[in-house]
Amino acid sequence: TQLLEQSPQFLSIQEGENLTVYCNSSSVFSSLQWYRQEPGEGPVLLVTVVTGGEVKKLKRLTFQFGDARKDSSLHITAAQPGDTGLYLCAGGSGGSYIPTFGRGTSLIVHP
Amino acid sequence: DAGVIQSPRHEVTEMGQEVTLRCKPISGHNSLFWYRQTMMRGLELLIYFNNNVPIDDSGMPEDRFSAKMPNASFSTLKIQPSEPRDSAVYFCASPGASNQPQHFGDGTRLSIL
Repeated sequence: TQLLEQSPQFLSIQEGENLTVYCNSSSVFSSLQWYRQEPGEGPVLLVTVVTGGEVKKLKRLTFQFGDARKDSSLHITAAQPGDTGLYLCAGGSGGSYIPTFGRGTSLIVHP
Repeated sequence: DAGVIQSPRHEVTEMGQEVTLRCKPISGHNSLFWYRQTMMRGLELLIYFNNNVPIDDSGMPEDRFSAKMPNASFSTLKIQPSEPRDSAVYFCASPGASNQPQHFGDGTRLSIL
C-alpha cells in the first residue's frame, strides 16, 4: 500500500495570507489528485497532475507535482474564508488505478 | 445530472443491528468506489466495482461487511452485525475520465451505539 503523508495536519490563518500544504510519499505515482472537502459533504476534485514537474493553476491555487512524481504541493495565494476545508491528496499507479488518500490538511481561514 | 446520491444521510442504530447504505451513482457509470472516513484513519477504500463486478475488496474490514452493485444505477453496502467501531462517514464515488474517484456523494454518517 502506498502511503501519502500530508503536512501540516492543521493550519489556521488570517484572510489574505499565503500558505502551502504538502503531500509526500516514498512511492512514485502515475498521477496525483487534490481534493477539497467541506463539512458534511464529500470531497470535490480540484486537479489531477500526471507529469513530473507539472504546475497547474486554478485561480489562486497553484499545484505542483514533484519531478520524481513522489510528492506534490498546493499553494494558496491571498487565502479567503471560502478556502476553509480539508485538503486531501490521493495518488496511485499501475494499470488498475485505485488511489490511496492522505489524511488531509485541515485549513481554517479567519476573516 | 443529480450527481451521486447516497441514503440515508444519517443513521443511528444499536450494535448488532443490520445496516444498509445505498448509493445511486452518476448515470452511465458502471464503476463505483465505496470509502469510509474517520478522524483516526482518514479516507479508506473499502471496495471498487468496475462493470458492476467487485475488482478490489481488500479494504472490506471483515465478513460483517458486504457490498453489491446489481446494476449500473444502484449499489449497497451492508454491515451485519454492526459494531461501535463501524461508526464513520461512508462515501460512494463515481469515477472521472481517468477512472479515479471524482464524483463523491455527500456521505452517510453512521453511528453505532
